[in-house]
Amino acid sequence: AQKVTQAQTEISVVEKEDVTLDCVYETRDTTYYLFWYKQPPSGELVFLIRRNSFDEQNEISGRYSWNFQKSTSSFNFTITASQVVDSAVYFCALRGGTSYGKLTFGQGTILTVHP
Amino acid sequence: GAGVSQTPSNKVTEKGKYVELRCDPISGHTALYWYRQSLGQGPEFLIYFQGTGAADDSGLPNDRFFAVRPEGSVSTLKIQRTERGDSAVYLCASSLAQQGTNEQFFGPGTRLTVL
Repeated sequence: AQKVTQAQTEISVVEKEDVTLDCVYETRDTTYYLFWYKQPPSGELVFLIRRNSFDEQNEISGRYSWNFQKSTSSFNFTITASQVVDSAVYFCALRGGTSYGKLTFGQGTILTVHP
Repeated sequence: GAGVSQTPSNKVTEKGKYVELRCDPISGHTALYWYRQSLGQGPEFLIYFQGTGAADDSGLPNDRFFAVRPEGSVSTLKIQRTERGDSAVYLCASSLAQQGTNEQFFGPGTRLTVL
């Protein structure tokens, strides 16, 4: 069985602060894929990043960075110098190597960035 | 190009009625997924199609739910004898194939309200 836990239900920051969203996962698959999606108030899920279980390199994309640590089964997401437009619900998701495309999502973290 | 489209965007129905929700995937995407998102929760997997066939329907909650994809493109999710607990946003996603390396692109969803 797959499970994704996002312990932070809501986070509130002031613009320009850095913020980290936590994600912990469980799977018995040796090969798996991790994802982050953003869901702005408009409602449509927007793909942010995919990580393969065999690639533990951290990644940076502009103000976004991701820290993947297999040893702690975590895939955390950091936004540097947050902006009001970053306000959204962020979901971490897992796809097991034997799950034929099925994504298991966490509960989501509501991020509010205040001006 | 056009993204995933879903119709209707909103559907209000009465308990016991039958509803159909439609999904138009991105052209050329062979894999299609349905998820259900309740308020304050992450999306939950319902069913996945590879081509015309349902490769995994393990997420369908009961036999009132059924989905088809007769020509390998458009899909329809059908709910019989709707119940108030069926109220949720129904999301459709598509990808190039079912392999985990292909991200799923989500549509805007259909908000179903059962009175």
